[in-house]
Amino acid sequence: RKEVEQDPGPFNVPEGATVAFNCTYSNSASQSFFWYRQDCRKEPKLLMSVYSSGNEDGRFTAQLNRASQYISLLIRDSKLSDSATYLCVVNKGKLIFGQGTTLQVKP
Amino acid sequence: GAGVSQSPRYKVAKRGQDVALRCDPISGHVSLFWYQQALGQGPEFLTYFQNEAQLDKSGLPSDRFFAERPEGSVSTLKIQRTQQEDSAVYLCASSLRDRSSYEQYFGPGTRLTVT
Repeated sequence: RKEVEQDPGPFNVPEGATVAFNCTYSNSASQSFFWYRQDCRKEPKLLMSVYSSGNEDGRFTAQLNRASQYISLLIRDSKLSDSATYLCVVNKGKLIFGQGTTLQVKP
Repeated sequence: GAGVSQSPRYKVAKRGQDVALRCDPISGHVSLFWYQQALGQGPEFLTYFQNEAQLDKSGLPSDRFFAERPEGSVSTLKIQRTQQEDSAVYLCASSLRDRSSYEQYFGPGTRLTVT
């Protein structure tokens, strides 16, 4: 079983839709949590950190549930430019990446 | 400012050849990481340097893989006697402080194809 599990998708949604991605992790010693975004054939880039209290950055909301070892990302009012792969990442001294969830936003 | 750069961007090697992949981290960044990303997968950790010291090489898949950072800046990942399963994108990342500093900046990667 992988340490960080994500549904690979793809998620195909129309512009303006709200979409949610989930991720589970298996190592309770994990220190911190992130979502990275990776465009096709590009490098991963940090999207946002994830905190237990939940945090929001514009249209993006991330949530962490330590008890359930579960991380989520919510994207509201999807834009065409949101099309990418979203990587759930756990830091336990080194970054452990999930497989990634592919989002395709259609006009 | 300049980000992380990697060279070459693309490398085709015949099975059994040795390859060397270079990473130039952001100037002043203490930490440097190498990852391997297979098609359709997330990056997988290979090794970590703090300055010139290789503090973690637990992700290196075999003794054919070797990494160095002799002066604490540029790093080289060497793969000896390449195999087809080594075909992947090799990503380098750097971070300002030690490994607990969360923001890692990634280079564009080297896409290695072993034929």
